[in-house]
Amino acid sequence: GIQVEQSPPDLILQEGANSTLRCNFSDSVNNLQWFHQNPWGQLINLFYIPSGTKQNGRLSATTVATERYSLLYISSSQTTDSGVYFCAVGINFGNEKLTFGTGTRLTIIP
Amino acid sequence: DGGITQSPKYLFRKEGQNVTLSCEQNLNHDAMYWYRQDPGQGLRLIYYSQIVNDFQKGDIAEGYSVSREKKESFPLTVTSAQKNPTAFYLCASSIRRDEQFFGPGTRLTVL
Repeated sequence: GIQVEQSPPDLILQEGANSTLRCNFSDSVNNLQWFHQNPWGQLINLFYIPSGTKQNGRLSATTVATERYSLLYISSSQTTDSGVYFCAVGINFGNEKLTFGTGTRLTIIP
Repeated sequence: DGGITQSPKYLFRKEGQNVTLSCEQNLNHDAMYWYRQDPGQGLRLIYYSQIVNDFQKGDIAEGYSVSREKKESFPLTVTSAQKNPTAFYLCASSIRRDEQFFGPGTRLTVL
């Protein structure tokens, strides 16, 4: 099946810093989503981005489908950005599932 | 408010018991999914359903069962055949082949 690798596994930053999280995947995809999992376990949708670039406030994402990777950018980090960030991908032809990476744990220090 | 609800939030089960986790959505989504998350891991698909009265096994279906009698509801039963059921269970829904949205989850602990 498709493989999803996220890097780095852990990231500790000072408040106000910028960060880039990476997601590599091993096959063509028709669905790519970025999530933030908060301390209570809730998965919050950040981006639905199978290709192209999107921005939402301090967050932006880029997916280069032909090169099989996606990047999540967080600018001017805040302590509320702490948590685990997951990339998840879905492939074509009736397979509805999302395959998740193991996540990047981001800790923002005041 | 539109959304996905899961109940209960916490569930404790004795070994050998079956338990049922509830998932309801009022988003009018056709597809619904159950995922399992173990500590420090990503999510893995248990079952999914694209339409009422139809569902498909995911990657880790052994020891679980589901039903889809109504569009809004997709309950998951964790049976005594599931060897290691302690985990965080998340339900999701989507318009077919589109962005998935998740409920708040149920934490199941086997005593």
